[in-house]
Amino acid sequence: DAGITQSPRHKVTETGTPVTLRCHQTENHRYMYWYRQDPGHGLRLIHYSYGVKDTDKGEVSDGYSVSRSKTEDFLLTLESATSSQTSVYFCAIRTGTANEQFFGPGTRLTVL
Amino acid sequence: GQNIDQPTEMTATEGAIVQINCTYQTSGFNGLFWYQQHAGEAPTFLSYNVLDGLEEKGRFSSFLSRSKGYSYLLLKELQMKDSASYLCAVFDQTGANNLFFGTGTRLTVIP
Repeated sequence: DAGITQSPRHKVTETGTPVTLRCHQTENHRYMYWYRQDPGHGLRLIHYSYGVKDTDKGEVSDGYSVSRSKTEDFLLTLESATSSQTSVYFCAIRTGTANEQFFGPGTRLTVL
Repeated sequence: GQNIDQPTEMTATEGAIVQINCTYQTSGFNGLFWYQQHAGEAPTFLSYNVLDGLEEKGRFSSFLSRSKGYSYLLLKELQMKDSASYLCAVFDQTGANNLFFGTGTRLTVIP
């Protein structure tokens, strides 16, 4: 258990509404990541952070923004949700040893 | 860019051995990871290879050949609980040092 929680675990929302997903870690890791997982695509990186206020884009960042004002929290925001953003979202942290990533339990988001 | 290929589905019998292959092409290879993911759950870390050769961890072993861009995950003494998806991921040190995942191999263990 890498001490990662995600909230909410499930959310149903409507097209055009803003949505914020939260990832919280308890072990002070520097690197945090947001992925989405869709059938046929595997896990794809949305955004990542390498420290407080230090973030960068991944391969599928369009329509998403992130913020990290504290080491323990990494927020993912969909400014105006679309049906194509229906997915399972995983947060991950990276340890400092072999660079392996450990994943949170996931958030299942449905945009109607 | 990165290109990671693994079979979509495999079936094996309880008690048997199964090998799941992964081939990759990447410009800045710096390690290969295997993850297990049960349906509806998060991926969990299984193994990491950065040098050529075999890494053994209980019933699971992982092999890497960097010159061939090839890895496999070997599962011995299969149990029903091993039914899951197995994700191959490459750590690419160009740019942002990030993990790139294959689409996963869904393994079904049958009695």
